[in-house]
Amino acid sequence: QQQVKQSPQSLIVQKGGISIINCAYENTAFDYFPWYQQFPGKGPALLIAIRPDVSEKKEGRFTISFNKSAKQFSLHIMDSQPGDSATYFCAASLRTGTASKLTFGTGTRLQVTL
Amino acid sequence: DAGITQSPRYKITETGRQVTLMCHQTWSHSYMFWYRQDLGHGLRLIYYSAAADITDKGEVPDGYVVSRSKTENFPLTLESATRSQTSVYFCASSEGVRYEQYFGPGTRLTVT
Repeated sequence: QQQVKQSPQSLIVQKGGISIINCAYENTAFDYFPWYQQFPGKGPALLIAIRPDVSEKKEGRFTISFNKSAKQFSLHIMDSQPGDSATYFCAASLRTGTASKLTFGTGTRLQVTL
Repeated sequence: DAGITQSPRYKITETGRQVTLMCHQTWSHSYMFWYRQDLGHGLRLIYYSAAADITDKGEVPDGYVVSRSKTENFPLTLESATRSQTSVYFCASSEGVRYEQYFGPGTRLTVT
């Protein structure tokens, strides 16, 4: 059962445009929602994260919008650059017992063209 | 070098063989994790460890064994490799109560 659904699977955006990636979750016990960026041949790296008591968080060109009632959150990349071309994963964290475990979406491959 | 490292980076093995993937971190993080990454599935948690000698199953633990005798090391063993275990494996660590997980560079495993 996929608890975090991510779309689109791939995205092509022109340089300077806005990239938008969406995620939806099912488990209301999730308490932390990070986005990871992964370049080819590398491990994922934390990009930005939000907690459910906040509706928006912005860091530079990256913004997370969070809609708790709809159980949806999205990543917006403003003024997209070719260097942003990577795979992006949303995730949701659940505190269980001795750890906080992440459930990942299936990923979005972003290509920013010149 | 500081950080989290994985070895080998690439491995080809035959069905039925035992193979161990190594993970080493220099931050003294309490928590360590193993994930597998497959197209269409994202990253899925195999096992995690809250401290030395404390391990627990994740979403897809079948066919895998872990141990953690030292805080800095968290090896993942495939006792009898199957083709369905062909994947890219990532190790991660975190300080614990803070949520950020830091990922290693990955090991690409092919089971023939």
